[in-house]
Amino acid sequence: GAGVSQSPSNKVTEKGKDVELRCDPISGHTALYWYRQRLGQGLEFLIYFQGNSAPDKSGLPSDRFSAERTGESVSTLTIQRTQQEDSAVYLCASSLGPPGYSSGANVLTFGAGSRLTVL
Amino acid sequence: AQSVTQLDSQVPVFEEAPVELRCNYSSSVSVYLFWYVQYPNQGLQLLLKYLSGSTLVKGINGFEAEFNKSQTSFHLRKPSVHISDTAEYFCAVSVRGGNKLVFGAGTILRVKS
Repeated sequence: GAGVSQSPSNKVTEKGKDVELRCDPISGHTALYWYRQRLGQGLEFLIYFQGNSAPDKSGLPSDRFSAERTGESVSTLTIQRTQQEDSAVYLCASSLGPPGYSSGANVLTFGAGSRLTVL
Repeated sequence: AQSVTQLDSQVPVFEEAPVELRCNYSSSVSVYLFWYVQYPNQGLQLLLKYLSGSTLVKGINGFEAEFNKSQTSFHLRKPSVHISDTAEYFCAVSVRGGNKLVFGAGTILRVKS
């Protein structure tokens, strides 16, 4: 597609419920990232995919968080047994290559985010 | 591990005045540096980046940034701001060859008329 699409744009859920957030990256972008942005804070790295593999999942805050990517395309971030501290905007980004590579391919394109509110 | 510090959480400035948004990074290896901007109700977009070469980098909308290795800084500047520059600005760093882009906490630029 022309840009990175995320759905839902807004999700309100009750504490203890599971949620799934979806990301459709730009076609052909092999690198995909999930970040979390809490109110008034910067972007917190969660996980990085290269193709369908996740070589860096060091930012996932607990085992309640998981993510997968299929077909080198769509990615789903799943939060189980949501807690109030999970409330945040979850941002997905994609790029042709990782940001540490010396080419124009290292620029991340971000989606508009999924705002999660846990009551 | 690399880290980024944006020293100002908010910067108010009058229209047509100059502005500097400060960014310092920490890394034991060579880095690439980025500034992203998030306009109200929009996603983040790239403003400019430093990979190598000239330490003065020019970006979109009249912004520029200077890489200072000795001071480990990458401050963003604009000589004359517009109301439309009101947004949140994020500095980010990646180590060369690395997979992760680490962001600062962001600086909200508020341009007043």
